[in-house]
Amino acid sequence: EPEVTQTPSHQVTQMGQEVILRCVPISNHLYFYWYRQILGQKVEFLVSFYNNEISEKSEIFDDQFSVERPDGSNFTLKIRSTKLEDSAMYFCASPAPGGTEAFFGQGTRLTVV
Amino acid sequence: GEDVEQSLFLSVREGDSSVINCTYTDSSSTYLYWYKQEPGAGLQLLTYIFSNMDMKQDQRLTVLLNKKDKHLSLRIADTQTGDSAIYFCAESQLNSGNTPLVFGKGTRLSVIA
Repeated sequence: EPEVTQTPSHQVTQMGQEVILRCVPISNHLYFYWYRQILGQKVEFLVSFYNNEISEKSEIFDDQFSVERPDGSNFTLKIRSTKLEDSAMYFCASPAPGGTEAFFGQGTRLTVV
Repeated sequence: GEDVEQSLFLSVREGDSSVINCTYTDSSSTYLYWYKQEPGAGLQLLTYIFSNMDMKQDQRLTVLLNKKDKHLSLRIADTQTGDSAIYFCAESQLNSGNTPLVFGKGTRLSVIA
């Protein structure tokens, strides 16, 4: 099965610090997504990215968040000034072009202290 | 907005069948998915069904869709201890694979040896 790779697997950061979560999506995929899962809650959509720009974003994705594809392979999610409530599992996903299957990475567990 | 609901817990004995249920509200849902999440791991796509189908079978997994009632179920035959995980139901509206998934809260399946 194709793989989406996320790093780091776990990150602990102090409130107010910036964090960058990284994803290497499947190489020929065109759409990329970030989702988050607060402990014990639903997996929630954050943002989708297509052709080097944001395609769609949820109300969770406020000015503290940004996404980039800096080098054509990595896909990053940046949180500028982390809050305690940003603690969650963050998943990167990419669907196959024209396909129906969305492949998810293993996730990054972000803990804000 | 769209909503996906699942019961939170299910406990079965090894060798029995498990049935995990899901209801959704969006009648324009096109694809419905089941994902599996093992402890500390990412989301693994198990199977999906297109909304014009009412059943799909894949080895030990059977998906049943009642579009009229907006009810989806996942049956796991001969449940094994390795099936213990959280199972997420998810839906999307378009068939191009480029719309965000809407997830349920997940059903935690515990398999008793």
